[in-house]
Formats: sequence, structure tokens, C-alpha cells
Amino acid sequence: AAGVIQSPRHLIKEKRETATLKCYPIPRHDTVYWYQQGPGQDPQFLISFYEKMQSDKGSIPDRFSAQQFSDYHSELNMSSLELGDSALYFCASSPPPSRNEQFFGPGTRLTVL
Amino acid sequence: RKEVEQDPGPFNVPEGATVAFNCTYSNSASQSFFWYRQDCRKEPKLLMSVYSSGNEDGRFTAQLNRASQYISLLIRDSKLSDSATYLCVVNGAGTASKLTFGTGTRLQVTL
Repeated sequence: AAGVIQSPRHLIKEKRETATLKCYPIPRHDTVYWYQQGPGQDPQFLISFYEKMQSDKGSIPDRFSAQQFSDYHSELNMSSLELGDSALYFCASSPPPSRNEQFFGPGTRLTVL
Repeated sequence: RKEVEQDPGPFNVPEGATVAFNCTYSNSASQSFFWYRQDCRKEPKLLMSVYSSGNEDGRFTAQLNRASQYISLLIRDSKLSDSATYLCVVNGAGTASKLTFGTGTRLQVTL
């Protein structure tokens, strides 16, 4: 079965650089979520989109922005990167109509040097 | 205090053992409940949703007590491949609402 696709899988950036993470949800899933997982921590919710509109917002820094496109894929844009942004970034998607269960992609491992 | 509390473990059990994990959540408005498993440096994978009536999937049984805000997971006949971190997860009300994760309980199944 098709899963959530994330790219790139690994990314190394310098401080103050920008990064763009991409997420392609499972086909026919219309809702996308972004989570950040630091070392030894549980995943923390960043932001979600339903039908291309921002649905819920968590502890996402102002330096980050995200959007969902007409084909339902989503991009997380991160600017002025800091060392503390080094983490695993997961995208998840959920299917209509309930949108309760969320299925996670393999993640993007971001390292900021 | 975290919104979802779990015993971090680790739980070290022999193959074939039965092991139980517990979890409590503080937000009484939580609507949906799940157990996910996560292997080291991998994504969380949905193990099962949890319903008030209790539900079973093979060797796994989950229970929810809304009055006590308590969730449990029972694993019978543990396999080596069950070794992972088990995350108790709750979902708020509304469409596309966030998941809130517990810190996870580490399980190590040994020969």
C-alpha cells in the first residue's frame, strides 16, 4: 500500500540558511500534519492543513511557514535555521471522512551545523 | 505535567511473556485514542485505535476508561519483534486536530 512520502530524507544545513521539506500524502488523503521530534523526545505538533487551509497550529516558530497545494502535497519552509532546529520532521496524513487516524511518513532528518 | 503520561520503562521481558502498558491523559475533551509503536529513528506506526468498548487485534488488546482518563495496552505472547517504544496518543476534537503523544514506554523482549 502507498505510504506518505517525504523528501529529502536527510538534509544538512548551516546556521541561518533556509530549508524546504516536502510531503506527499497517501492518495485520497486530504489532510496533512507536520511534527518535530528532537532527540529523546516525543513528536511535537507543528501545524496541519485540511483542504488546503491551515487547520490547527502548534508550537511552530515564526521562522517556519507551511502550505498545502492543490494536489494536497505540503511544504514546510524553514528560515534562519538555528542549531536547535536539528530534529526529525515527520509528515502525517489522514483520510476522509473521519480524519482521526494519522499515518506517518519516514521523516526528514535535518541537521543544522 | 505532561498532557499524556506514560511509564518510560524500560520493560525487559522474555519471549512469550504478557506485558501491560498504562497511560493517563489530562484533557477530558480528548476524543480519539491510539497506540503507536516507534522503532529507533523511524516514524511512529499506528498499532491500533482504542475504543471505550475495548478492542483486540491478534495478540494486542487495548482498553479505554474515559471516567478515569486511562488507556491500556496488553501484549500477549511477546515476540522479539515487539521490541520498540510504545506511544500512547490522544487526539482532540475537530477536523485535523493534533495528536498529543506520551513520552513512550520502551519494551525490550529477550530470548
